[in-house]
Amino acid sequence: TQLLEQSPQFLSIQEGENLTVYCNSSSVFSSLQWYRQEPGEGPVLLVTVVTGGEVKKLKRLTFQFGDARKDSSLHITAAQPGDTGLYLCAGPMDSNYQLIWGAGTKLIIKP
Amino acid sequence: GAVVSQHPSRVICKSGTSVKIECRSLDFQATTMFWYRQFPKQSLMLMATSNEGSKATYEQGVEKDKFLINHASLTLSTLTVTSAHPEDSSFYICSALIVAGTEAFFGQGTRLTVV
Repeated sequence: TQLLEQSPQFLSIQEGENLTVYCNSSSVFSSLQWYRQEPGEGPVLLVTVVTGGEVKKLKRLTFQFGDARKDSSLHITAAQPGDTGLYLCAGPMDSNYQLIWGAGTKLIIKP
Repeated sequence: GAVVSQHPSRVICKSGTSVKIECRSLDFQATTMFWYRQFPKQSLMLMATSNEGSKATYEQGVEKDKFLINHASLTLSTLTVTSAHPEDSSFYICSALIVAGTEAFFGQGTRLTVV
C-alpha cells in the first residue's frame, strides 16, 4: 500500500524564520506534488517534481524530490505571514491517476 | 494554469433535501474527475472517481446511492447529496485530471451545511 507521511503536522513560527516540511514514503512515486490550501478554498498546485534529485524553486519556496523518488521536502526561507496555510503533498497511485495524500502541514507564520 | 470551477461555493439546505454541486473544467477536457470530502483541519478524503461516460467508482464506505455522481461530458461532473442530513455537512472539493496528464486541478470547494 502506498502511503505518504507528512511532517510536521503543525508548525507555528515567527516571521523571518526558515522551515522545512517533509513528505516521506516507503514506495517509489513517479511524481510528487505540493499544494497549498487556505481555509474555505480548494488546494492550489504549487509544484510537481518528477525527476529523482530534482530541485524546484518558487520564490522563497524550494522543493526537492529525493534521489530514490520516495520522499520530498518543501523549504521556506524567511517565512512571511502570507505563507500561512495548509500544505499538502500528494502523489499518483501506481495503478491509476488517483492521488495519495499526505495528512497536511498546518503552517502559521506569526508577524 | 488550468481552471476548475466549482459551484456553489456555499450552500445551506434543510435535512431531507438534495443538493447538487457542479464541477467544471473551464479551459481543458477532463476524462477523470475526483470528488473529495474534507473535515476541518484534516486532509482530503477521496469519495469517488468520476469517469466521463461511465459509472463512478466509489471509495469504501461511501454510499453511492447517497452521493450521486454524474460525469456526462468532458468538462462537467456533478455530485448530488441526496436526502441530506446534518452529518453530511462538510467541505466538498472536486478536482479534474487533464486528459493524458497526471496533474489534477482543484475547484474552489463547496461548504455544505445541512440544518
